[in-house]
Amino acid sequence: DAGVIQSPRHEVTEMGQEVTLRCKPISGHNSLFWYRQTMMRGLELLIYFNNNVPIDDSGMPEDRFSAKMPNASFSTLKIQPSEPRDSAVYFCASTDRSVAALHEQFFGPGTRLTVL
Amino acid sequence: DQQVKQNSPSLSVQEGRISILNCDYTNSMFDYFLWYKKYPAEGPTFLISISSIKDKNEDGRFTVFLNKSAKHLSLHIVPSQPGDSAVYFCAATGSGNTGKLIFGQGTTLQVKP
Repeated sequence: DAGVIQSPRHEVTEMGQEVTLRCKPISGHNSLFWYRQTMMRGLELLIYFNNNVPIDDSGMPEDRFSAKMPNASFSTLKIQPSEPRDSAVYFCASTDRSVAALHEQFFGPGTRLTVL
Repeated sequence: DQQVKQNSPSLSVQEGRISILNCDYTNSMFDYFLWYKKYPAEGPTFLISISSIKDKNEDGRFTVFLNKSAKHLSLHIVPSQPGDSAVYFCAATGSGNTGKLIFGQGTTLQVKP
């Protein structure tokens, strides 16, 4: 059974460029989360979707960040324009909220973004 | 403001001894807590959880303790093994089951052979 799939695994770009990170959640999961991991703040929730609808984007740092979920099997996180302080590891996670008691989220391997 | 805090960035223990990782939270509405484990170049994986109606949950070598009055939880690993060396994240969520988890900064555990 495939887990959460993220691409690319590594991205190196120059300041000012557009960056698009991609995520395929586990089939059947109805919630999807985007996180950013930094040394200072650990895992920060950026945005999450339930049934493809954005529910809470209060963690999105700036208007330069945007996320979409056009269907149940695909989501993107876009940064435009990118800045060096955006360098971090970005994780996507999914869960099945119909299993209400568990709260467990399943994480992808992450995308390591470096903005020069 | 950090609602979930792991104040120890790192911890080093000897193989076979107990590892104790701590986590504090500020939001009294949190009622479910989880620990995740993360190896380098991998995503975090779920380890163990506890509901606020309990004060202890055990799974093999891993035990989580919850002290609601102190808003504190801890993860005990006994005995510690070198394969336990990883980053451990504490997470919390509140009633209403929005699905949103709030994570701490993580603690890097090193278990020395």
